[in-house]
Amino acid sequence: GAVVSQHPSWVICKSGTSVKIECRSLDFQATTMFWYRQFPKQSLMLMATSNEGSKATYEQGVEKDKFLINHASLTLSTLTVTSAHPEDSSFYICRGGGISNTEAFFGQGTRLTVV
Amino acid sequence: QKEVEQDPGPLSVPEGAIVSLNCTYSNSAFQYFMWYRQYSRKGPELLMYTYSSGNKEDGRFTAQVDKSSKYISLFIRDSQPSDSATYLCAMSFGSSNTGKLIFGQGTTLQVKP
Repeated sequence: GAVVSQHPSWVICKSGTSVKIECRSLDFQATTMFWYRQFPKQSLMLMATSNEGSKATYEQGVEKDKFLINHASLTLSTLTVTSAHPEDSSFYICRGGGISNTEAFFGQGTRLTVV
Repeated sequence: QKEVEQDPGPLSVPEGAIVSLNCTYSNSAFQYFMWYRQYSRKGPELLMYTYSSGNKEDGRFTAQVDKSSKYISLFIRDSQPSDSATYLCAMSFGSSNTGKLIFGQGTTLQVKP
């Protein structure tokens, strides 16, 4: 199946700094990218949905100024966690889909630890 | 009440056992039902999907949907240690998995050799 490559797989950062997570669709054009957060032993919570070339749509309760999403090309979407705090420590996963796809594909996930 | 309820387990079974994983949901508008498998620290991978009530079989896996009871199941026959993972049910209002999905909490399964 199609591949969504997510980097980094894990990152540790200091409180107050920003972290960028990238998701690339390697063999298809991802017109839509979903970003999720997953806490230990909990389900995937949708944070936002982005469509290439448009502003992301954020779910209720998700701070758009803190979680910046960019989807400027059909093969790359990024999530930047700004001014990270320990409570932002979580597993972040993207899921990308394209017009010609019958399935949307998950990235490998990024384990963020803020110290 | 959560839209999708799933017993988080953990569920521990001996190798070769039949495993039954279940989810219930409250919104009758869900049309597309999926099961994902997630290994530790990895992204989920799609195992099976169904679009209507009934059964769908793929090798050792059988997905079952009962829309009248708002209940879906995943059965794993002849379970293997490699099946040890977290299994997430997911649902959507559309006719594919390319849109917004609502996930269950996930059930952690351990298959012991």
